Amino acid sequence: AQSVSQHNHHVILSEAASLELGCNYSYGGTVNLFWYVQYPGQHLQLLLKYFSGDPLVKGIKGFEAEFIKSKFSFNLRKPSVQWSDTAEYFCAVNAKATDSWGKLQFGAGTQVVVTP
Amino acid sequence: ETGVTQSPTHLIKTRGQQVTLRCSSQSGHNTVSWYQQALGQGPQFIFQYYREEENGRGNFPPRFSGLQFPNYSSELNVNALELDDSALYLCASSHKRGGTNIQYFGAGTRLSVL
Repeated sequence: AQSVSQHNHHVILSEAASLELGCNYSYGGTVNLFWYVQYPGQHLQLLLKYFSGDPLVKGIKGFEAEFIKSKFSFNLRKPSVQWSDTAEYFCAVNAKATDSWGKLQFGAGTQVVVTP
Repeated sequence: ETGVTQSPTHLIKTRGQQVTLRCSSQSGHNTVSWYQQALGQGPQFIFQYYREEENGRGNFPPRFSGLQFPNYSSELNVNALELDDSALYLCASSHKRGGTNIQYFGAGTRLSVL
C-alpha cells in the first residue's frame, strides 16, 4: 500500500541544536512533496514544498528540505532550532499518477519539543 | 492566517446523529478538500470539491458526503455518527491552476461523538 512514513514520533532537543526529521514515501513516479507545521493551537501552515527542479528547497523560518529520489525521501532540516520551533511537523505527498489533484497523503507527524 | 474559516470550532454529538461542518475558502480559491485528523495521526483525505463537483475521494464510507456552493464554500455532512468519527476535521482550499496544488488549511472543527 502507498504510504508516507515519518521516522520519529517525538523529538526533544535543546535550543541551538540541529534538527533533522525524516520522511519516506512509497510512491513511484512523479510526486509533489510538502512539509507542514502545526504550532500549538494553530492551523496547519506550509513550511516548504518541492514540485520540480533543485532538490534542495528552502522554506520559511530557516527550514530546508532535500528530495532524494533514489531513496524516496524528503528530509526536513534546520541548523539551529529555537524554542518557538516547538510544534508538530507533517510530511505530505501528492503522487501525481495515482492521486487526484490536490489530494495530500500525510505522515503521522513528528512532535518536536525545543527546551530552553 | 490562511483566510480559510471553519465553523463551528467544537461540536459534541451522540452516536447515530448527523452533523454538518462548514468551510469558507480563501478568496480566489475554487477547490476545497476535507481531511479527518484523529488524535495522534496525520490528516486523512476524505474528498475534494472543484467547481461544485466531487473531484476525488479517499477511503471513507458514503455516509460522509459533501457539497460545494457557487461561492466555493463547502459543507461536510456525516450521517449515522460513530464513536470513531471523533476527530479534528480540516478544510483546505486551493486554486486548481497550472498543476500547483498548495493547500491552505483552516483551524478545523473538533467533533466529539459520545
